[in-house]
Amino acid sequence: EIVLTQSPGTLSLSPGERATLSCRASQSVSSNYLAWYQQKSGQAPRLLIYGASSRATGIPDRFSGSGSGTDFTLTISRLEPEDFAVYYCQQFGSSPPALTFGGGTKVEIK
Amino acid sequence: QVQLHQWGAGLLKPSETLSLTCAVSGGSFSDYHWSWIRQPPGKGLEWIGEIDHSGGTNYNPSLKTRVTISVDTSKNQFSLKLSSVTAADTAVYYCARGLHGTYYYSGMDVWGQGTTVTVSS
Repeated sequence: EIVLTQSPGTLSLSPGERATLSCRASQSVSSNYLAWYQQKSGQAPRLLIYGASSRATGIPDRFSGSGSGTDFTLTISRLEPEDFAVYYCQQFGSSPPALTFGGGTKVEIK
Repeated sequence: QVQLHQWGAGLLKPSETLSLTCAVSGGSFSDYHWSWIRQPPGKGLEWIGEIDHSGGTNYNPSLKTRVTISVDTSKNQFSLKLSSVTAADTAVYYCARGLHGTYYYSGMDVWGQGTTVTVSS
């Protein structure tokens, strides 16, 4: 079973700053199978990125994903007030099909 | 636009069976995989399992012995049953739409509103 470790646990930043969130896998993951989600308090998660770097429908271009192998990154180029939330990475394992989430990174207002 | 609406009992006693249903409206049912995910209070997300329109299932190995996911294609609905619940199963449960195939995974792009399930004696 692949374990996803997200860091840092909490990121304290100001609006307008750049956020860099890390997701590290315990073994190599195909970039085709890596997704990122945003979750605000009391809401369901929202898909941001799939295939490691493809933005989901309606996602602003300040959100970008990158990485390969065991190291993946979600970058928010300039934080807007609505971006303060918890972010999760997720990987799809194909044999057998199974999904796992990272523990999450909270982006909070400094 | 596609919407997922879920419902089910919100308060259970230990050893009872959790039962939730998710109805899909406004889009194709047969082209996707349909998942259940849960989130204990103050914690992260845990995938429970998924089903496709033909009834093919995949489950989280840690829950497999207690989970059954079923589908009713005539109603565009899918359901979750989790047996022998304990306080550790207290969580918000979500249904979600996903899509994967050979060499690709498109993420879970539509989610239900969530159902809070509490297990307490």
